[in-house]
Amino acid sequence: AQRVTQPEKLLSVFKGAPVELKCNYSYSGSPELFWYVQYSRQRLQLLLRHISRESIKGFTADLNKGETSFHLKKPFAQEEDSAMYYCALPMASGSARQLTFGSGTQLTVLP
Amino acid sequence: DAGVIQSPRHEVTEMGQEVTLRCKPISGHDYLFWYRQTMMRGLELLIYFNNNVPIDDSGMPEDRFSAKMPNASFSTLKIQPSEPRDSAVYFCASSRGQGQANYGYTFGSGTRLTVV
Repeated sequence: AQRVTQPEKLLSVFKGAPVELKCNYSYSGSPELFWYVQYSRQRLQLLLRHISRESIKGFTADLNKGETSFHLKKPFAQEEDSAMYYCALPMASGSARQLTFGSGTQLTVLP
Repeated sequence: DAGVIQSPRHEVTEMGQEVTLRCKPISGHDYLFWYRQTMMRGLELLIYFNNNVPIDDSGMPEDRFSAKMPNASFSTLKIQPSEPRDSAVYFCASSRGQGQANYGYTFGSGTRLTVV
C-alpha cells in the first residue's frame, strides 16, 4: 500500500544552519512526490514537486528510489521557514488523484 | 482566479447541531477533495469527487458525515448531528485530472470547526 512516513514530528534548527526534513515512501510504480507547506494557521501550499526538479524558496528535494526517500533540504534556514511541512504522494497510480500525506514535520527556525 | 474558497472560516456550534461547510473549487479543476486536519491524525482524506461524482468516500468517518457536489463550482460537507470529536480544521482542495497530474492540489483556507 502507498504510504508516506515523516519520522520527525518536530525539528528545530538555528537560523543559517542547514535543514533536512525527512520523507520516506512506499509505492508500487513510479511515484510522484510533493512537498506542501503550511504557515501558521494558513492554507497548505504546494512547495515543490519532484517531477519539476525545481528549487522554491531555497528548498530542494531529490527523489532517491534506492532509499525510497524524498527529503526536503535547505542549506541555510531562515526564520520565515518556520512552518509545518507535509510530504505527499498519490494513493494510487492512474487516474485516481487523491494524495496521501505524511503526518507532517513542524519546523522551527530559531534566531 | 481567487483560488479555492471555503466558508465559513470559523464555526462554533453546540453538540447535536447540524453543520454545513462550503467549498468553491478553482474553475476548470475537475477533482475536489475534502480533508480533515487534527493534531492527532494529521491530514485525513474524507471524500473526493471527479466531475461532480463522488469517487471514494471511504474516509468519511460515520454516517453523520455527508458530502455533495451539485455542480462543478460548489460542494458541501455536512455533519449531522455534530459531536465534540468532530472539532478540526476541514480543508477543501481541487486539482486538474490526469494529463495535468503534476500540478498537485490547491487548498482552500480551511474551516476551523469547534463543537462544544
